[in-house]
Amino acid sequence: KQEVTQIPAALSVPEGENLVLNCSFTDSAIYNLQWFRQDPGKGLTSLLLIQSSQREQTSGRLNASLDKSSGRSTLYIAASQPGDSATYLCAVRPRDDKIIFGKGTRLHILP
Amino acid sequence: DVKVTQSSRYLVKRTGEKVFLECVQDMDHENMFWYRQDPGLGLRLIYFSYDVKMKEKGDIPEGYSVSREKKERFSLILESASTNQTSMYLCASSTITGAPLGEKLFFGSGTQLSVL
Repeated sequence: KQEVTQIPAALSVPEGENLVLNCSFTDSAIYNLQWFRQDPGKGLTSLLLIQSSQREQTSGRLNASLDKSSGRSTLYIAASQPGDSATYLCAVRPRDDKIIFGKGTRLHILP
Repeated sequence: DVKVTQSSRYLVKRTGEKVFLECVQDMDHENMFWYRQDPGLGLRLIYFSYDVKMKEKGDIPEGYSVSREKKERFSLILESASTNQTSMYLCASSTITGAPLGEKLFFGSGTQLSVL
């Protein structure tokens, strides 16, 4: 069964730095992968969705990449800001199952 | 903008009470989902629905039921609330594209339920 792992569970980075969040999955047979943001006590907001045929997606300061063969995705955040502090979750949509979420990386941008 | 609205942000109930959590989406989405989120366990799927009057069990359906009488509304029911059902409950919706179960998920703001 597909497993989705996000390491580290928490990360602190000084403001202005570029950073990379990691997501790994065990089975490359997926339709797509999504990155979400969750603020404390709130719901999830979809940031980027990468179809299985794509290698990356960009939105503003965010860039998500997908390497199916190695079972990895990264979310790159450029020029981090305190407002980027949140938990970031990745989720994969396997071909034979429902969407599966990682447990997230809690990001803290230090002013 | 897609809007998924959950009726309550915070809810406090007593053990044994019947609890209704309501979710409404305004984008005519076919698929709707109920998750619970607990520290250390992540998001777990309780029930989902592809269409009106249709429901499917997720990974942890025990102690819950659902109702989908109208396309825009998906209700989660705790028949007899227990303390281990204290959690953040998240509703989501998506629309059918080329893949089954749809693509991009849109979430509500969540309901933090405490069962005392």
